Amino acid sequence: GAVVSQHPSWVICKSGTSVKIECRSLDFQATTMFWYRQFPKQSLMLMATSNEGSKATYEQGVEKDKFLINHASLTLSTLTVTSAHPEDSSFYICSGGLGLGGQETQYFGPGTRLLVL
Amino acid sequence: RKEVEQDPGPFNVPEGATVAFNCTYSNSASQSFFWYRQDCRKEPKLLMSVYSSGNEDGRFTAQLNRASQYISLLIRDSKLSDSATYLCVVNGGGSYIPTFGRGTSLIVHP
Repeated sequence: GAVVSQHPSWVICKSGTSVKIECRSLDFQATTMFWYRQFPKQSLMLMATSNEGSKATYEQGVEKDKFLINHASLTLSTLTVTSAHPEDSSFYICSGGLGLGGQETQYFGPGTRLLVL
Repeated sequence: RKEVEQDPGPFNVPEGATVAFNCTYSNSASQSFFWYRQDCRKEPKLLMSVYSSGNEDGRFTAQLNRASQYISLLIRDSKLSDSATYLCVVNGGGSYIPTFGRGTSLIVHP
């Protein structure tokens, strides 16, 4: 299957700092990548759709100025959590789609665990 | 009504049991269907795609019923290592954003 990497795998930071998470598709090109957040014992929550070369599309309730997404190439999308606060502590996961539009198979990165103190 | 619905469980079964999960979807134009497995504190991993003709991979069998708009996953001869959350994913039908069910938790005990 296709491989997606994420970096870093975990981050501990102080409140008020910004954290950048990278998502890379290693062996395929992903026009669209998705960013999710998952709190303990809860289901995946889609945050935004990242489109290569254009602005991300955010889900309702997700602040675009707080969660900055850049999809600079077909293999790299980044999520920056700006001025992180303890309530932003979560498991952040990205995915890239492989296949025809609307029928893509999603491959997930290993996730980034963020802890804001 | 949620777009993709799953029984959250947990399904608590002994080793060797056969267990089945169902997932219903609301968009009749959906085009592709998948089962993912998510272990605790890990990312979801593709278990299998689901086709109209049904497909089987070892102890796992997936079925799609378009008329009734549901997909199923059957696990035979359950192993302890099958314990995980199983996510149903539906794609297409006017949207390129995959829609996830909330997942069904499976616990296989000795």
